Amino acid sequence: DAKTTQPTSMDCAEGRAANLPCNHSTISGNEYVYWYRQIHSQGPQYIIHGLKNNETNEMASLIITEDRKSSTLILPHATLRDTAVYYCIVRAIQGAQKLVFGQGTRLTINP
Amino acid sequence: EAGVAQSPRYKIIEKRQSVAFWCNPISGHATLYWYQQILGQGPKLLIQFQNNGVVDDSQLPKDRFSAERLKGVDSTLKIQPAKLEDSAVYLCASSLAGRTGEKLFFGSGTQLSVL
Repeated sequence: DAKTTQPTSMDCAEGRAANLPCNHSTISGNEYVYWYRQIHSQGPQYIIHGLKNNETNEMASLIITEDRKSSTLILPHATLRDTAVYYCIVRAIQGAQKLVFGQGTRLTINP
Repeated sequence: EAGVAQSPRYKIIEKRQSVAFWCNPISGHATLYWYQQILGQGPKLLIQFQNNGVVDDSQLPKDRFSAERLKGVDSTLKIQPAKLEDSAVYLCASSLAGRTGEKLFFGSGTQLSVL
């Protein structure tokens, strides 16, 4: 079962920052936070992951609260191509742990 | 770098028929996953292989679903006989060694419609 809670849908204007929240209040100390997204008719695509420090890559930034009970994925300058379902997933550090997807957030970028 | 290849892209069958899906992971990726995604839901893991051995098949309906990964490279997923509720997109993914922290790379999936 998914261990995260995300809003069902969100809208953002093109060119603005998209901030996608995720609640993972039961996260354990040995679990990472992962973000994937799924564009229509495609398979999920990895975005970013983190343990407790904020992370940034070419796609997005991940802000994890100090208590690790929630996080925010930030797309700094959203484009129409960022319209997708965004999944926040927690996954244990040890072993070959599977990714358990929830319902995700359907993000729509408007022109 | 070539991605995860899946075929066919679409398949339509009648209930009680059998169907097979094929997946070719990224070269060198030891871990291969099959996910089922029903419309409006997130993907659900069916089976995970490490090389040609099964790591997790706890959610695979073994009375009708089977999967194999001979020689630790390509994999096939079979459904026999199909039911209406098997209508879904079947996604294949691969990763280097299945360790946490690794990215999973997904194919575009096979969309199955059971009539």
